[in-house]
Amino acid sequence: KNQVEQSPQSLIILEGKNCTLQCNYTVSPFSNLRWYKQDTGRGPVSLTIMTFSENTKSNGRYTATLDADTKQSSLHITASQLSDSASYICVVRVYGNNRLAFGKGNQVVVIP
Amino acid sequence: GAVVSQHPSWVICKSGTSVKIECRSLDFQATTMFWYRQFPKQSLMLMATSNEGSKATYEQGVEKDKFLINHASLTLSTLTVTSAHPEDSSFYICSAKDRETEAFFGQGTRLTVV
Repeated sequence: KNQVEQSPQSLIILEGKNCTLQCNYTVSPFSNLRWYKQDTGRGPVSLTIMTFSENTKSNGRYTATLDADTKQSSLHITASQLSDSASYICVVRVYGNNRLAFGKGNQVVVIP
Repeated sequence: GAVVSQHPSWVICKSGTSVKIECRSLDFQATTMFWYRQFPKQSLMLMATSNEGSKATYEQGVEKDKFLINHASLTLSTLTVTSAHPEDSSFYICSAKDRETEAFFGQGTRLTVV
């Protein structure tokens, strides 16, 4: 079964601090991995996308890493802002079809 | 990036009535659209996949007669929740893609059945 596990489930961080979110997956065959930001009551917005050969991808203060051998990914948020409070969802695409495997998300709350 | 628009953003309806949710791709032709359901603090759950001009493919456990999906054009898909009940209250999200791109998500629709 294609699964995506994210940790921690939730965390609270002080504004200005950094944090790292983890994603482990068992999806096979692997096509790509995306990190999405989902604000409460909104649809997911793509932050990064990485294919098998990519190890890291940045988008502003967001940096994603991928280790395709160990099937692990991380999303690092640098100098967090209050607007970073959201759910961050790891999504892995299965190679060869349109199917996506979703993690449950990391709920991040940034406090002043 | 590509824009996918959902309407309405939220809707409240009475039990037993039907509700239609629209999903539009604004700047590309969506050959495939997906409908998801999301409960609080849960991941998105795929309900069905629809290709333009053909019948939707429903995931196991999703009642096709209750969740009617129409994808009549390359820019519009609709999800109709028929005879809605309070347990249908949820966050419904669509996504759309063409043959070349990854799927983009709509902003979601919060359905509350009272």
